[in-house]
Formats: sequence, C-alpha cells, structure tokens
Amino acid sequence: DAKTTQPPSMDCAEGRAANLPCNHSTISGNEYVYWYRQIHSQGPQYIIHGLKNNETNEMASLIITEDRKSSTLILPHATLRDTAVYYCIVRDPPNFGNEKLTFGTGTRLTIIP
Amino acid sequence: DVKVTQSSRYLVKRTGEKVFLECVQDMDHENMFWYRQDPGLGLRLIYFSYDVKMKEKGDIPEGYSVSREKKERFSLILESASTNQTSMYLCASSLLFGSQPQHFGDGTRLSIL
Repeated sequence: DAKTTQPPSMDCAEGRAANLPCNHSTISGNEYVYWYRQIHSQGPQYIIHGLKNNETNEMASLIITEDRKSSTLILPHATLRDTAVYYCIVRDPPNFGNEKLTFGTGTRLTIIP
Repeated sequence: DVKVTQSSRYLVKRTGEKVFLECVQDMDHENMFWYRQDPGLGLRLIYFSYDVKMKEKGDIPEGYSVSREKKERFSLILESASTNQTSMYLCASSLLFGSQPQHFGDGTRLSIL
C-alpha cells in the first residue's frame, strides 16, 4: 500500500469548512483513497473513499488531484462533534491476502467553538 | 447503514482467565477482522476470516484464537489472558471483493489485571 503524509494537527472554527490534506505521491493505478476518523475511545468510522473522481456523501467531500498524488477531505460545516483524528489510507481493493488496514498517525482535527 | 456490534465496551478480567470477545455484523459481509490498537503502535491485525469456519493469522496471532461458526459472528478468544493483552480491541467487516471499505465496531477496551 502507498505511504501517506498528513499534517499532525489542525484547528478549524465551528461552522467553517475543514480541509484536511493528504499526500500520496507513490499511489499506483489500482489504489483507492480512503478516509476514516476516530473519535476518542471509539472505533474508526469510515467517511468516504474514491479512485480518481471527486466524491461526495452526507458526511464529506473528497477531492483527488488529477495526478492522484494528493487529496483533500472537506467537512463543509464543521461542528464540535467533528473533533477527531482523521486517517487517510491508500490501498488496493480487498483481495485474498491484502485485506489488512494500516493507519498512519493521522491528523488531529480540533474544532474551535 | 452497516452495523458492527461488539458485545462489550469495557471489560476487566484477571490474568489467566479465558476471555471471549464477540462481534456481530448485519451486512452479510464475507470478511471479518480482529485488530488491537495501542498508543504508538497503531492498528495491528490479529486474525481475519473470509468465510464461515475459515480463519487466517494476521500479524500478531500469538495468545489468541478465533471462531466463526456463523457468517455474521466472529469471536476472539484469549486462551489465558495476560497483562500485555490489555488493549483496545476492534472488530471490522467488509465485502470479500470490490472497493467498499471495512466498517468497524465501537471497540472493547479490555483490561487484564
């Protein structure tokens, strides 16, 4: 799986858009970008994933650059409940032998009232 | 919505006890996983299963066993609990193929005294 680089921490004002960057310059053609978050003492929560097109769901938007070497997770109207550690993961779709997920250190996002 | 349910959020056991952690998913997923998460060590895969009665060792299977008698249920067993097995245990499930993500339960924080 490709290695990812994320800033260790970010702050965002409540009600504003939170933009979390992720660099994955060694991504290969079949690898997807996944985002999870983990609120303190809870299990990781899946947010969104994509291959090369931008994606949006009820939680967030995912913007992937044309060369696929970086991406940005956007939380459009951040609330205090969005305070969490956010993980960007790049991996092949599951197949026998590659199912393991590996989380890096992620970005600790703090939403400021 | 995908629901992965772990039987306990918090559990305290004594050294030498046999400990059972239960996980149930309601999305007919073929894959199920047990991870442990420790500060500074990230997420580590203990065992996974891609079918009923099938199991595969992950990175740290020593001291653990698993059971999958039904598709929706995956149990983690600590044969003789030790203090170094104090950790957050996370269950996850996913489809066997395709890009859909792994979904996690809320975790069981297990303390071995």
